[in-house]
This record gives sequence, C-alpha cells and structure tokens, in this order.
Amino acid sequence: LAKTTQPISMDSYEGQEVNITCSHNNIATNDYITWYQQFPSQGPRFIIQGYKTKVTNEVASLFIPADRKSSTLSLPRVSLSDTAVYYCLVGPFYGSSNTGKLIFGQGTTLQVKP
Amino acid sequence: EAGVAQSPRYKIIEKRQSVAFWCNPISGHATLYWYQQILGQGPKLLIQFQNNGVVDDSQLPKDRFSAERLKGVDSTLKIQPAKLEDSAVYLCASSQTGVREREQVKNIQYFGAGTRLSVL
Repeated sequence: LAKTTQPISMDSYEGQEVNITCSHNNIATNDYITWYQQFPSQGPRFIIQGYKTKVTNEVASLFIPADRKSSTLSLPRVSLSDTAVYYCLVGPFYGSSNTGKLIFGQGTTLQVKP
Repeated sequence: EAGVAQSPRYKIIEKRQSVAFWCNPISGHATLYWYQQILGQGPKLLIQFQNNGVVDDSQLPKDRFSAERLKGVDSTLKIQPAKLEDSAVYLCASSQTGVREREQVKNIQYFGAGTRLSVL
C-alpha cells in the first residue's frame, strides 16, 4: 500500500510561493498522485493530479521526480484564502485496473499570514 | 453541474442508537466513496462502489456499519449501534470512470460537504 508522509504544518506570508512535499516511497506503477485542499466544514476539493514530471494548472504546479517516490505541490503567490489543509493522495487510476486502496496522507495545515 | 449532495449536515445521537446518512453523487458518476474523517485526521476510505457493486470495503467495520447503493445511483451508510468513537464527519465522494484526457486517465473525486456525527 502506498502510504504518504507530509509535514504537519507550514506557515507562509501573502504573496510568497509555497512548496509542500509529500513522500510516497512505495508508490505503485499504476498509481497517480493527487492533491486536495480542505477548508473547515467542507469536503476536500481537487487541486491537481499527475503521474510523472511536471503538471501545471491555473492554481498550482505539481513536480514529480523520475523515481516518483515524492511529489511537491507548488502554490504561487499565496493569499489569506489559501489557508487550509492540503492532502496528498496516492492511488490507482481507473480503467483497466482499479485494485489498491486510495489513501489520504496526514495533511499539511498551511497558515498564510498577512 | 450539481455537486455531491449529502444529508443530514449534522446529527447528534446517543451511543447504541442507529443512524443513517444519504448521498446523491454527481449525475453520471459510476464510482461512489464513503469516507470517515475524525477531527484532525485525513479522510479514511470506508467503502467504494462501482455502480452498485462493492470494489473495496476492507476498512468498513462490518459488525456495525453497512452501506448500499441500490440502482447504482444514490447511497446510504448506516451505523447500528453507534459507539462514541464513531463521532466524525462522514464524507461522500463520486468520480467518473477513467476520464481520458491528453493520454492521461484521471480519477478526480468530488466531495460533498459531509455529515458531522456526534455520538454522546
């Protein structure tokens, strides 16, 4: 089972770039890496997903090294509204194979300060 | 597009009582998940359905928890009898099956707001 490890908490200031790293040493060949954001009293919300190298969308970038044993979520120029818990999720894609568990990491509480 | 609907939002019961949660996934999503999230922890998968069949229920405490997804659409999760340690937020999520985009298959889960259960 691909277990993940993240820092428990991080602090940042408005306008800075924030990088959160997730370790997943036992990731399987057909596992994808997905990051979610969760605000209090809400369900998690999808941020970004990738398999290898770099993925970028309108809110974040995801960097995955060649060995795929870790990944880094990069949030450019954070604001106060980015204060939330960020979860790293490793699990299989759907299609021909759907075996394996979907496991959320511990979550990283990001506190953005003015 | 409507999101994942869950009800009720809050529930307070006494231990040994029973409780049921309801989830209506996004239209067309074949996969439905139930998670338990204890305060300060990440969500833990309880059960995963593909249409109306169970894919994974290995972490579901089957002596007290049950779930069903009749007709492959909405789902109910039941706890009977409840224990103090069942106090948590119960999240429902749904996803499409293998959405292929730019040679990558995505499995994005969309979550409801959850049901906060307090067992006294």
